[in-house]
Amino acid sequence: KQEVTQIPAALSVPEGENLVLNCSFTDSAIYNLQWFRQDPGKGLTSLLLIQSSQREQTSGRLNASLDKSSGRSTLYIAASQPGDSATYLCAVRPGAGGTSYGKLTFGQGTILTVHP
Amino acid sequence: GAVVSQHPSWVICKSGTSVKIECRSLDFQATTMFWYRQFPKQSLMLMATSNEGSKATYEQGVEKDKFLINHASLTLSTLTVTSAHPEDSSFYICSASLGHNEQFFGPGTRLTVL
Repeated sequence: KQEVTQIPAALSVPEGENLVLNCSFTDSAIYNLQWFRQDPGKGLTSLLLIQSSQREQTSGRLNASLDKSSGRSTLYIAASQPGDSATYLCAVRPGAGGTSYGKLTFGQGTILTVHP
Repeated sequence: GAVVSQHPSWVICKSGTSVKIECRSLDFQATTMFWYRQFPKQSLMLMATSNEGSKATYEQGVEKDKFLINHASLTLSTLTVTSAHPEDSSFYICSASLGHNEQFFGPGTRLTVL
């Protein structure tokens, strides 16, 4: 059974810092990995999706890397801002075949607070 | 990106009543929709997978008679919480996908059962 772990559980940083959020997964047979942002009481906003054949994806100040063989992904946020404060979730989608195909397994999330 | 809506965004009901939540893909046809449940300060838990025109597939431990799912069209799936009780109070989120691509999530529905 796939398990996804995110470290740290919570992170508080001053504005302007570069930071790294970590995600690890136990089964490397994944189709893709997604990073999401969730604001309190809201749904999920997709930030980056990395296919299993890719090593990284970038969008603005965000960069996500994927090391499939070691079961790790990192989300790098450059020059953090108070508006980045939210919960960040990573989720993996299993590879083709089997009954779990298409189903996302989520980590517990990292609660990020960026203070002015 | 693709847009998924949910209605209502929040609902308060009395214990014993049934509540229906709608999930719509607004600008694409979703072959598959997923229903998740999220407790406070916890991650999302997949409840069921819904494919248009066929019965939903429920995850282990999720009562299919309690949480009725109907996927009547490629743009609409509904989740009905039957005979709701306070322990059913939660944040329910749906997602929709086209083929094997990424899932797009709705804004969620906050259910409070008194």
